[in-house]
Amino acid sequence: GENVEQHPSTLSVQEGDSAVIKCTYSDSASNYFPWYKQELGKRPQLIIDIRSNVGEKKDQRIAVTLNKTAKHFSLHITETQPEDSAVYFCAAAGRRALTFGSGTRLQVQP
Amino acid sequence: NAGVMQNPRHLVRRRGQEARLRCSPMKGHSHVYWYRQLPEEGLKFMVYLQKENIIDESGMPKERFSAEFPKEGPSILRIQQVVRGDSAAYFCASSPRVRDDSYNEQFFGPGTRLTVL
Repeated sequence: GENVEQHPSTLSVQEGDSAVIKCTYSDSASNYFPWYKQELGKRPQLIIDIRSNVGEKKDQRIAVTLNKTAKHFSLHITETQPEDSAVYFCAAAGRRALTFGSGTRLQVQP
Repeated sequence: NAGVMQNPRHLVRRRGQEARLRCSPMKGHSHVYWYRQLPEEGLKFMVYLQKENIIDESGMPKERFSAEFPKEGPSILRIQQVVRGDSAAYFCASSPRVRDDSYNEQFFGPGTRLTVL
């Protein structure tokens, strides 16, 4: 089955700096890669996703890149704000369920 | 358009009791997924259902756990004879009809936090 690894597990940045979270996956058949943000005690919320036919996608301060050859994808958050503080999960999927990474706790220091 | 709904939001059970968790997908969504999240951990896939059909239950423990998504009504995740290790947040997600070779985004409910005493 699919295996997703996520790094780093914790990340602390100063407000205004950029944050980068990286994931690798094992199943070359996976073709959908979403990123979720989860605040304490809340549900995971989809913030951006990318499909295998695209190398990069951007939505305001958030961007995701995908390298299918190397089987890795990354989340980039620019101009970070305190409200970006949360746990971020990457995931990978083929036709069935999502396999999640272990999460990155992002702390944005004011 | 209401989002994915789950109830109860919090459930307390004593060891040996049954826990029944409900999930109503978003309007127009016909696919339901259940995930379990232990404290300070990621989400683990449990089961994927369509109406009256279990598509993939590879993440479900072999004993005590079952799931259904009847023709009418919510999807139900049932845990019999609960043990302390079952304490976790259980999230349901729904998606619209899956495209042929691709995957549709999943939207999560608020979760049910199960505590086993």
